[in-house]
Amino acid sequence: DAKTTQPTSMDCAEGRAANLPCNHSTISGNEYVYWYRQIHSQGPQYIIHGLKNNETNEMASLIITEDRKSSTLILPHATLRDTAVYYCIVPPIQAGTALIFGKGTTLSVSS
Amino acid sequence: DTAVSQTPKYLVTQMGNDKSIKCEQNLGHDTMYWYKQDSKKFLKIMFSYNNKELIINETVPNRFSPKSPDKAHLNLHINSLELGDSAVYFCASSQIVGGATSGKETQYFGPGTRLLVL
Repeated sequence: DAKTTQPTSMDCAEGRAANLPCNHSTISGNEYVYWYRQIHSQGPQYIIHGLKNNETNEMASLIITEDRKSSTLILPHATLRDTAVYYCIVPPIQAGTALIFGKGTTLSVSS
Repeated sequence: DTAVSQTPKYLVTQMGNDKSIKCEQNLGHDTMYWYKQDSKKFLKIMFSYNNKELIINETVPNRFSPKSPDKAHLNLHINSLELGDSAVYFCASSQIVGGATSGKETQYFGPGTRLLVL
């Protein structure tokens, strides 16, 4: 199962783009990269996922390097409400397998 | 409508008591999970059920017993509560679609149940 490495914490000014990196150098060819976040005292929330193409939705963009060994989650205009712990996860291949959460990156957005 | 709901939201109880936490999802998913988040904020899987069948049972004390009466519900009963059981318990659900390589097995989490054992 691919493991991920993320910085412990990051800061971002409100209104600026937040770029959260993740290293998953042992990812295999058919494994997806998922991003979740956990806002204080709430349940984890799905953000976005991708295989090899860049992805964008209403919450964020996901940029995956060509060799797929790393990715970056981009919050284009961070707000105070984006302050949370962000988890980069490569789920095990087996169907119905649980997510393995690491320590994630604590993003602090300040005004 | 809340997709994944849990009751109660807060639970304060004495050591040695027996308590239950309930989870319901209205997403039509076939798989449900219980995760535990301890004081150090690590989230770890405890159990998962697929179509009412237990498919994941991590190293959890026998005092914890999950029950799934139907696909939409997964309850967690805890016997003889201990101080170390104090944590936040999250329920989640997903739909199995050929495994994680399908890119479609997103999990949706409930708001959590904060258990404090005194």
